[in-house]
Amino acid sequence: QITLKESGPTLVKPTQTLTLTCTFSGFSLSTSGVGVGWIRQPPGKALEWLALIYWDDDKRYSPSLKSRLTITKDTSKNQVVLTMTNMDPVDTATYYCAHSEDGPNFDYWGQGTLVTVSS
Amino acid sequence: QSALTQPASVSGSPGQSITISCTGTSSDVGSYNLVSWYQQHPGKAPKLMIYEGSKRPSGVSNRFSGSKSGNTASLTISGLQAEDEADYYCCSYAGSSTPVVFGGGTKLTVL
Repeated sequence: QITLKESGPTLVKPTQTLTLTCTFSGFSLSTSGVGVGWIRQPPGKALEWLALIYWDDDKRYSPSLKSRLTITKDTSKNQVVLTMTNMDPVDTATYYCAHSEDGPNFDYWGQGTLVTVSS
Repeated sequence: QSALTQPASVSGSPGQSITISCTGTSSDVGSYNLVSWYQQHPGKAPKLMIYEGSKRPSGVSNRFSGSKSGNTASLTISGLQAEDEADYYCCSYAGSSTPVVFGGGTKLTVL
């Protein structure tokens, strides 16, 4: 059974760096073809893809946010970490991590974590 | 990379069929058979309904089907049911540099 869960601060101040952790079980991020992605959703708005890390440590980022994002994995801990620098109120959103395999198909999602950016 | 274009809303009566379109470009939808569709109920995480254009994950009703023509992908829901009322998002592979692009979402209302 594959499960994912996001964790991190619920409130960050403008200009701060956000660090979110995705802890998963039921699969290994060292298995060929497997990836973990981060997707966010501002309140009442659409899904927005942020980043994706593959089993071979290949990393991909949204072009519009690439300069602010870093994604890493710790295979031994079954965790994927996303950092986003220089947070702004427009970054207020629910942040999801999700499992993918053999393509950009996110078949298992975490419950999401709401991050509010406010002073 | 721009978001894929979806209608803001669609509606249908129980038992009817509806289709949601997802228009991209020759750089994403038109070039790859890697479109996925997600259903999202309020306050819930998205759920994968269709992948690789027309494949259904295990457990997804066969009332849901996907197709593609040129730069436009479509999700069809037949035999509409009240529980189908939700937001639907398309997603496409857009090349190795930008592997994921989402659509703007469509709100389905079951009348």
